[in-house]
Amino acid sequence: GQQVMQIPQYQHVQEGEDFTTYCNSSTTLSNIQWYKQRPGGHPVFLIQLVKSGEVKKQKRLTFQFGEAKKNSSLHITATQTTDVGTYFCAGPRIQGAQKLVFGQGTRLTINP
Amino acid sequence: DSGVTQTPKHLITATGQRVTLRCSPRSGDLSVYWYQQSLDQGLQFLIQYYNGEERAKGNILERFSAQQFPDLHSELNLSSLELGDSALYFCASSPGLGGSYNEQFFGPGTRLTVL
Repeated sequence: GQQVMQIPQYQHVQEGEDFTTYCNSSTTLSNIQWYKQRPGGHPVFLIQLVKSGEVKKQKRLTFQFGEAKKNSSLHITATQTTDVGTYFCAGPRIQGAQKLVFGQGTRLTINP
Repeated sequence: DSGVTQTPKHLITATGQRVTLRCSPRSGDLSVYWYQQSLDQGLQFLIQYYNGEERAKGNILERFSAQQFPDLHSELNLSSLELGDSALYFCASSPGLGGSYNEQFFGPGTRLTVL
C-alpha cells in the first residue's frame, strides 16, 4: 500500500539555525497536509498543498510540493524555541479518499 | 482549543479488560476519525465515521470497534486489552468527508495505560 516516509526522524538544532523536513510518497498524491504536534499536545493542522510545484509561506515556514506530487518539504528559517515539536506530513491514500496516511514525523528539538 | 473533546483524559486498566473512549466532534463536523499513537510513533489511522456511517477503515484490530451516534459523538471500544494497546488515542473531526480536502481537527487525546 501507499507509504509516506519522512526524514529525518529526529533533528536537533541551535536556536536560530534553519530546519528542513522531507516527505516522500511511494505514489502520486492529490494533495498533502502538514501538521505540528507540540510535546504533550495534539496534532494541529498547518497547511495543505494541492498544486504541482506549489510553494506556500507562513512567516518563517516555507512549504513546497514537488513537481511530480510525490514529495514535499517544510523549511523553517531561523528556528525559535516555539518551533519545538513533531512535524507530520499526511496524504490521502487514493485520490478523493478520506483516509490520510501520516508520515512517521520529524521530531525537532532546539538548543536555546 | 480545537473544539474536539475527548474523555477520559487518562485511563489505566488491566490486561483483558474492556474500555470505551468517547469523542465529541467540533460543532457542525460530520466526520470523526480515530487514531492510535504509540510512544515515539506516528499516527496510525484506525477508522472514520461520517454522519453515523463507517467510511474508511485502517489497521484496526478485531478487538476494537467504534460507532458514531445520531448526535455525532463517537465511541471507540477496546476489548481484551493487551499491554501493547497502551497508547495515546486521538479523535479528530472534519466538516465533510475529509481526508483529501478537509483539514482535521484533533482532540486532546486519551492516554491509555494497560498494566
